[in-house]
Amino acid sequence: EIVMTQSPATLSVSPGERATLSCRASQSVSSNLAWYQQKPGQAPRLLIYGASTRATGIPARFSGSGSGTEFTLTISSLQSEDFAVYYCQQYNNWPGGTFGQGTKVEIK
Amino acid sequence: EVQLVESGGGLVKPGGSLRLSCAASGFTFSSYSMNWVRQAPGKGLEWVSSISSSSSYIYYADSVKGRFTISRDNAKNSLYLQMNSLRAEDTAVYYCARGSIAAAGTAPYWGQGTLVTVSS
Repeated sequence: EIVMTQSPATLSVSPGERATLSCRASQSVSSNLAWYQQKPGQAPRLLIYGASTRATGIPARFSGSGSGTEFTLTISSLQSEDFAVYYCQQYNNWPGGTFGQGTKVEIK
Repeated sequence: EVQLVESGGGLVKPGGSLRLSCAASGFTFSSYSMNWVRQAPGKGLEWVSSISSSSSYIYYADSVKGRFTISRDNAKNSLYLQMNSLRAEDTAVYYCARGSIAAAGTAPYWGQGTLVTVSS
């Protein structure tokens, strides 16, 4: 099983600042990497797929990069609605795509 | 507008059974693979099971293989998850999620989830 490791577990950021979240795969997943956002009491929302392609309706302040085993999600200027938990998911070994444990982005 | 509405969750004793349903609307249900993903209280996301558009291909996580059965009825635009021999560790919110044609393995649409609690 491919293990996905996210860092940091919690990221404290002030509104308007940049947030950089990391995701590492235990083996190469090529560019088959997605990012999801989840707010309390809500279902996850797909942000990025193919490591860098924004899903429909996702603002341009969200960007993804990386390939192989190292990936990054960047939120260029944090808005109040962006404070949430973010999960990466590999789908290179599909079915059975595995998720990271999540990074919580909180208000500093 | 794509809508996925889960139902069937509740409290069940260890060893018991439960059947979850997901009613889909706003898209051509028979064209998409469907998935169940769960989230234990305060924990992360875990993929549970997937079924292809015509039910030709069915997959399960090792943690539920042999106990859970996924199925779909394209005439009724509905997805199901039959859960047997339930354990405490199956306690979670269960989400129905639509697959993607552009990026197989991702889930661009999710329901709001239904809570399954396994406890004596």
